[in-house]
Amino acid sequence: QSALTQPASLSVSPGQSITISCTGTSSDIGTYNLVSWYQQHPGKAPRLMIYEGTKRPSGISIRFSGSRSGNTASLTISEVQSEDEADYYCCSYAGNIAFWVFGGGTKLTVL
Amino acid sequence: QVQLQQSGPGLVKPSQTLSLTCTVSGVSMNSGSFYWSWIRQPAGKGLEWIGRLDISGNPDYNPSLKSRVTISADMSKNQFSLSLTSVTAADTAVYYCALEGRTRGERYFDYWGQGNLVTVSS
Repeated sequence: QSALTQPASLSVSPGQSITISCTGTSSDIGTYNLVSWYQQHPGKAPRLMIYEGTKRPSGISIRFSGSRSGNTASLTISEVQSEDEADYYCCSYAGNIAFWVFGGGTKLTVL
Repeated sequence: QVQLQQSGPGLVKPSQTLSLTCTVSGVSMNSGSFYWSWIRQPAGKGLEWIGRLDISGNPDYNPSLKSRVTISADMSKNQFSLSLTSVTAADTAVYYCALEGRTRGERYFDYWGQGNLVTVSS
């Protein structure tokens, strides 16, 4: 069982927006502003999409945005495109014992 | 650009030791810019952080794996390695090496290896 909780699957129509939630605890998301989100296509390595909860690395579409409130982080994808169909994982720093914890992943289907 | 190339066997027998190596190019491990990390992903499941090492030589490990994991580095070859002892079928997974930034504002996994599927089976 993963330390962070994500919905196992979501579906969305092209052009619409979708938000993926990631629920942790006061020991991880609630304390550290070190939440990152990764996109993973089948057979590929994860790709960084968001870091520090809200920041986008260079080269990542502005359609991807992140937020954090309390023990929950969220990834929003606006104007969803077929290429956004992938698995998405949240990750949070969890202190000097657990260090890094991940969510179980959300499989996003573009209808 | 920074690239990570993984190598190691794809099949390990139960109770034996899993060993993987990650060769870093495009940045010197002597730069001290990164933690050198290992992350794994069982088939159809989520990611699990295994541990990391930095230039100080002090490792950090996932508490659930700490008794069986060793991460080491060969700075002369710009490589770091993972050793996982006493493996069972539960250790079957795709293993990734990754670089985690060490400085403020870079605390994330930006560079990843291609992944190695390691199957534990007799």
